[in-house]
Amino acid sequence: GDSVTQMEGPVTLSEEAFLTINCTYTATGYPSLFWYVQYPGEGLQLLLKATKADDKGSNKGFEATYRKETTSFHLEKGSVQVSDSAVYFCALRSSSQGAQKLVFGQGTRLTINP
Amino acid sequence: NAGVTQTPKFRVLKTGQSMTLLCAQDMNHEYMYWYRQDPGMGLRLIHYSVGEGTTAKGEVPDGYNVSRLKKQNFLLGLESAAPSQTSVYFCASTPGHGGFEQYFGPGTRLTVT
Repeated sequence: GDSVTQMEGPVTLSEEAFLTINCTYTATGYPSLFWYVQYPGEGLQLLLKATKADDKGSNKGFEATYRKETTSFHLEKGSVQVSDSAVYFCALRSSSQGAQKLVFGQGTRLTINP
Repeated sequence: NAGVTQTPKFRVLKTGQSMTLLCAQDMNHEYMYWYRQDPGMGLRLIHYSVGEGTTAKGEVPDGYNVSRLKKQNFLLGLESAAPSQTSVYFCASTPGHGGFEQYFGPGTRLTVT
């Protein structure tokens, strides 16, 4: 079945460091890909998305490019801030799932130190 | 516009007790979902609904029941709680019919002792 694998956390960085969180997927067909963010004590919020190969999603300085050849959707940010501390989830939505179901990765906890 | 709301926010149950978690959305969304979040396991789909009066099983449905009597509400029931059901429960909704972003509620933290 469809699955998403994220790099294991936790990840701890200093402010202004470069961030990469790896995400790879297994799916039939051509899934849509998402990054969600969960701030402490809150529900998940959509951070960015890409719906077809080579699309780049971006929001709040974060970017991710849909790479069909490597089945990847890595999240990057050039200069992280303390306020970026959160748990990040990669997810996919595939046509084989039906009913617009999402399959989530296990989440990566990010902590940014000042 | 409150979005997706969940009640209660916290609950402690004893093994064998029952309870119902309520999810409400005011966005007129067709699809609604219940997930559980456990450390290191991401979110797993318990049950979902593609419209009023319809429900379907997700990845981990055992021990849970759901109902969608009104379009705006999606109830998750635990008939006989077990310690393995200690988790954080999230409800989500999506417009359906081409709108695919899922909007999440703030979560319910449930502890079963």
